[in-house]
Amino acid sequence: KQEVTQIPAALSVPEGENLVLNCSFTDSAIYNLQWFRQDPGKGLTSLLLIQSSQREQTSGRLNASLDKSSGRSTLYIAASQPGDSATYLCAVDGGATNKLIFGTGTLLAVQP
Amino acid sequence: NAGVTQTPKFQVLKTGQSMTLQCAQDMNHEYMSWYRQDPGMGLRLIHYSVGAGITDQGEVPNGYNVSRSTTEDFPLRLLSAAPSQTSVYFCASSYAGSNGYEQYFGPGTRLTVT
Repeated sequence: KQEVTQIPAALSVPEGENLVLNCSFTDSAIYNLQWFRQDPGKGLTSLLLIQSSQREQTSGRLNASLDKSSGRSTLYIAASQPGDSATYLCAVDGGATNKLIFGTGTLLAVQP
Repeated sequence: NAGVTQTPKFQVLKTGQSMTLQCAQDMNHEYMSWYRQDPGMGLRLIHYSVGAGITDQGEVPNGYNVSRSTTEDFPLRLLSAAPSQTSVYFCASSYAGSNGYEQYFGPGTRLTVT
């Protein structure tokens, strides 16, 4: 059974710092991996989607990488800002089924 | 586009009551899903649909029913509410794009069962 883990559960950094969030999964046979952002009391916003054949995706200050063989993905946030404070979730789709398995998230606080 | 909309935003039920959580999307997406989010457990899939008239169970389907009579709507029915169903419920929709299935989530319904 696929399991998705995100470490750390919480992270606090000063404004301007570059940071990396980690996501690991137990079954490397995935179709794609998606990173989401969730603000308190709100729904999820898709940040980046990486297909299994890709190594990374970039959007603005965000860069997500995928290493299927080791079962790991990272989300790199450059020059962090207080507005980046949120919970970041990763999720994997095991077989083009559109059924996501989620990690429990990393709560990020960027201090001004 | 309004995207994915959910009603109500908040609901309190007594044990044994039934209710329907509404979900609608105006993006003509084929796929729709229901997830529940509980502290420390992440989001878990309840039911999903790959098109009108087609539904299937996810990881935690017990106590919930769904139907998909139109592309736009995917209601979730709680048959007899239990305290274990206290949670935040999210509806999502997606389509088969060039970069795979990217899911779009609604704002959620926060349900408390007493």
